[in-house]
Amino acid sequence: LAKTTQPISMDSYEGQEVNITCSHNNIATNDYITWYQQFPSQGPRFIIQGYKTKVTNEVASLFIPADRKSSTLSLPRVSLSDTAVYYCLAQSLTSGTYKYIFGTGTRLKVLA
Amino acid sequence: GAVVSQHPSWVICKSGTSVKIECRSLDFQATTMFWYRQFPKQSLMLMATSNEGSKATYEQGVEKDKFLINHASLTLSTLTVTSAHPEDSSFYICSASGIDRVNTEAFFGQGTRLTVV
Repeated sequence: LAKTTQPISMDSYEGQEVNITCSHNNIATNDYITWYQQFPSQGPRFIIQGYKTKVTNEVASLFIPADRKSSTLSLPRVSLSDTAVYYCLAQSLTSGTYKYIFGTGTRLKVLA
Repeated sequence: GAVVSQHPSWVICKSGTSVKIECRSLDFQATTMFWYRQFPKQSLMLMATSNEGSKATYEQGVEKDKFLINHASLTLSTLTVTSAHPEDSSFYICSASGIDRVNTEAFFGQGTRLTVV
C-alpha cells in the first residue's frame, strides 16, 4: 500500500491561495490520488481526485506530475471556513476493491 | 453526491455493555463498506472492510470478536462493539463504495461518537 506524507500543519490568511503537497513515492500503477477535508467531529468530505496531470473542480485543483510520486492540492482564495484537516490518499486496489488508507493529514488554519 | 448515514451520531454506554452502530447508503447500493476509528487529533484508522454477503476483512491488530461487522444488505452495514470498555471510546466512521459508482469513489458517514463510562 502506498504511504503518503504531508506537512503536519500550515497557516494561511484569508484570500490567499494554499498549496498542500503530498508525497507518495511508492504509488502503484492502479492507484488514484484523492483528497478529503475533515472538520472536527465530522466524517471526511471528498474534495478532488486525480490520476495524472491536472484536475480542477469548483473548489480545488489537483496537480500530479508525470512520475506521480507527489501531488499538490491547491485551494484558491481560502476563507476562515476552510480551516480543517486535509488528507491525501493514494487509493490502493486490493482484491478488486479500493482501500482508503489515511495518512497523518495536514491541519490547515486560516487566519483573518 | 451519494449519501451515507450513520446512526446514532453519539452514544454513551456503560462499561461491559455492547453497542451497535448502523451505516446506511441512502441513494446507492454499497457493495463495499469500510469502518474506521479516530482518536482525538489523530488520523482515521481503518478497522475493517466488508463486502455485502461476506465476512469482513479486519486490519492487523483489530479484534474481530470485539468489533463485530455485519454487511447483510447492499444498503446497510453494522458495527457492534462488544463488552465495551473506556478505551473503546472513540469516533467511529463508516464509508461506502458501490456498484453503480466508479470503484474509486467512497463516501463517508458523519461519524458516531462513542463514550464508554
